[in-house]
This record gives sequence, structure tokens and C-alpha cells, in this order.
Amino acid sequence: DAKTTQPTSMDCAEGRAANLPCNHSTISGNEYVYWYRQIHSQGPQYIIHGLKNNETNEMASLIITEDRKSSTLILPHATLRDTAVYYCIVGMNTGFQKLVFGTGTRLLVSP
Amino acid sequence: DADVTQTPRNRITKTGKRIMLECSQTKGHDRMYWYRQDPGLGLQLIYYSFDVKDINKGEISDGYSVSRQAQAKFSLSLESAIPNQTALYFCATSDSGRGYTFGSGTRLTVV
Repeated sequence: DAKTTQPTSMDCAEGRAANLPCNHSTISGNEYVYWYRQIHSQGPQYIIHGLKNNETNEMASLIITEDRKSSTLILPHATLRDTAVYYCIVGMNTGFQKLVFGTGTRLLVSP
Repeated sequence: DADVTQTPRNRITKTGKRIMLECSQTKGHDRMYWYRQDPGLGLQLIYYSFDVKDINKGEISDGYSVSRQAQAKFSLSLESAIPNQTALYFCATSDSGRGYTFGSGTRLTVV
């Protein structure tokens, strides 16, 4: 499984866009990029995933570079409730998904 | 009702005791997983199951066992609990199209 590298922590002002980077330089051609978040000690929550095209849903946008070696999760208008640990993970979309969770980025949204 | 339900939510047990953590899901997914999370760390895979007849060890299976009683039920047992098994335990399900759906977790303390 490809490994990912994320900053340990980031800060963001409420109402501003939060841009969370992730490096995955060893990603293979058929691996997807997944993003999850974990609020306090709750179960991780799926946010979004993508293969090579940019993706958007009601929660966030995912921008994947053309060489697929890095990506950025964008929360367009961060709220206090978006304070959480954000995990960037790569894995297969078919068959067994052995998603490897690292330590993620701790995002703090402040008033 | 939650899609993935874990019981109990919290448990304190003594060293050497056998304890079972239970997980049930209403997602209709074939794949189920047990993860462990230690404070400030990411999630580590304990066991996973493709379907009722398929059980596989994850990264840290020593000291744990599982039972897949039905498609919707996947239980985790600690045969003889020890203090370093004190952690937050998460059950999850997945299908081939999207990511995981996690339960709310079981906080286990072994004294």
C-alpha cells in the first residue's frame, strides 16, 4: 500500500477555505485517494475519494495533481464543527480495501 | 438507528478476563473490519472479513480473535485481556464502491 504524508496540524479561520495537502508519491495507477475525518473520539467519517479527476460533493472538494503524487482536500467555508483530524489514505476501490490510517492532520478552526 | 452499532460503548475489565465486543450493521455490506486506536495515533487493523466464511488477520491480531456470526454481525474477543489492550476499538463495513462506514467505537480499559 502506498504511504501518505500530511502536515501534523493546521489552523483555519471560521468561514475561510481550509486546504489540507497530502503527498502520496508512491501511489500506483489503480489506487484511489480517500479522505476521512475523525471528530474527537468518534468513528472516522468518509468525506470523499477520487482516482485522477477532481471531485466535489456536499462536504468538500478533492484536487489531485496530474501526476497523482499529491492531492488537496478543500473545505470551502470551514466551520467550528470542521475541527477534526483529517486522514488522507490511498487504497484500491475494488476487492478488499485495506486502508492504512496514518496519524493525519489535526485541523483547528477558530472563530 | 445507526448503520454500524457497537456494544458496549464503554467497558472496564480486569487483567486476565475474557471480553467480547460486538458489532452489527444494517448496510448490507459483506466486508467488515475491526480497528484499534491508541491515544494520539492512527487506526491499526486487527481483523477483517470478506464474508461469513472468510476471516483474515490484520496488522495486530495477536491476543484477539473474531467471529462472523452472520453477514451483519462481527464480534471481537480478547481471550485474556491485558492493560496494553486499553484502547478505542472501531468496527467498520465497506462495499466496493465507496469507503468505510465506522461505528461509534468501544472504549475499553483493562485494569
